Amino acid sequence: DAKTTQPPSMDCAEGRAANLPCNHSTISGNEYVYWYRQIHSQGPQYIIHGLKNNETNEMASLIITEDRKSSTLILPHATLRDTAVYYCIVRGPIDKLIFGTGTRLQVFP
Amino acid sequence: NAGVMQNPRHLVRRRGQEARLRCSPMKGHSHVYWYRQLPEEGLKFMVYLQKENIIDESGMPKERFSAEFPKEGPSILRIQQVVRGDSAAYFCASSPGAGRDEQFFGPGTRLTVL
Repeated sequence: DAKTTQPPSMDCAEGRAANLPCNHSTISGNEYVYWYRQIHSQGPQYIIHGLKNNETNEMASLIITEDRKSSTLILPHATLRDTAVYYCIVRGPIDKLIFGTGTRLQVFP
Repeated sequence: NAGVMQNPRHLVRRRGQEARLRCSPMKGHSHVYWYRQLPEEGLKFMVYLQKENIIDESGMPKERFSAEFPKEGPSILRIQQVVRGDSAAYFCASSPGAGRDEQFFGPGTRLTVL
């Protein structure tokens, strides 16, 4: 079972920041937080991952709370092409990804 | 550098037939993962393979399903005697090594069982 809890859906205006929350209160010390997204029915796309420090790349920023029990994915300037289902995944030493139900982000004009 | 390739992209089978799904990992990647996505659901892990070895098959149904990743050639997911409940999208992902390497996903094979 997935170790994360996400809201089922969110809306965001185009050009605004999209902040997607994730709860992972049972995360272990050696587990990372990964974010993937799935646009329509395509294969999932890797976005970002982190352990305890905040991370940023060309796609997004990941903010992890100090106690590591929750995190937020930030898309700084959402576009219509960011409309997708976003999955927050806690990944342990075993390499498989365990997907939950994710958050369906709808970006509107 | 080509991404993960899967074929066929769409596959239609009648109940009782066999389905063979192929996955060619990215160049230099020796780790392959298979996931299944039923309609309106999230992806479910099936199996994790390295070259010639099955590392974790905890998500594979006990019967009719098998997977291999030979020394040469693509990884194959084989479903024998398909049933309507096998209709789903099957995604393959690859990574260069174990540990925290990100997994790159292919476009998926959509299996429809009539």
